Amino acid sequence: EPEVTQTPSHQVTQMGQEVILRCVPISNHLYFYWYRQILGQKVEFLVSFYNNEISEKSEIFDDQFSVERPDGSNFTLKIRSTKLEDSAMYFCASSDRQVPNTGELFFGEGSRLTVL
Amino acid sequence: GQQVMQIPQYQHVQEGEDFTTYCNSSTTLSNIQWYKQRPGGHPVFLIQLVKSGEVKKQKRLTFQFGEAKKNSSLHITATQTTDVGTYFCAGGYTGGFKTIFGAGTRLFVKA
Repeated sequence: EPEVTQTPSHQVTQMGQEVILRCVPISNHLYFYWYRQILGQKVEFLVSFYNNEISEKSEIFDDQFSVERPDGSNFTLKIRSTKLEDSAMYFCASSDRQVPNTGELFFGEGSRLTVL
Repeated sequence: GQQVMQIPQYQHVQEGEDFTTYCNSSTTLSNIQWYKQRPGGHPVFLIQLVKSGEVKKQKRLTFQFGEAKKNSSLHITATQTTDVGTYFCAGGYTGGFKTIFGAGTRLFVKA
């Protein structure tokens, strides 16, 4: 069964460093998302991506964050200068629906980011 | 802004008891989805409801979407230890690209 894959599974970084989290969505999917979950808390929307551009982003997704789909398969989230409060589990998700925000979101297993 | 609220935050039940979690949106939803997240895992899609007043069943799970498309519930009959985890509702809004998650209800089942 096709699945969303994410790397790394866990990244530890120093405050102020740049991190890149990588995702390979399911190949025929059209919409791609990043969500984050601070330990034990809610799943928070960060950004959606469609047709090679950001379709919607949350207030959390400030200038420190960027997304890219450089080669048609990988989907990356970059945090330019990490802060302690960026420590969280970051989930990539994709969807095959033609209409945005409908239909199943397929989540990867997540990348745990720890900022020291 | 659009918000999805979910209660209760936690629920402890004895195996065999029923469980219900409730979800409420500040504005009308185009659809509501439900996900389950096992401890240490990622959210896994359970179901989507689209129509006003819709009721869907999956074995011991019953999902409802309110008439006004602002609230939803998930009811589990006769819980089992395999039901443990966090249940999230997630709402989609017309014209938007994001699916907004509720805070989740963490279910503990005692054998």
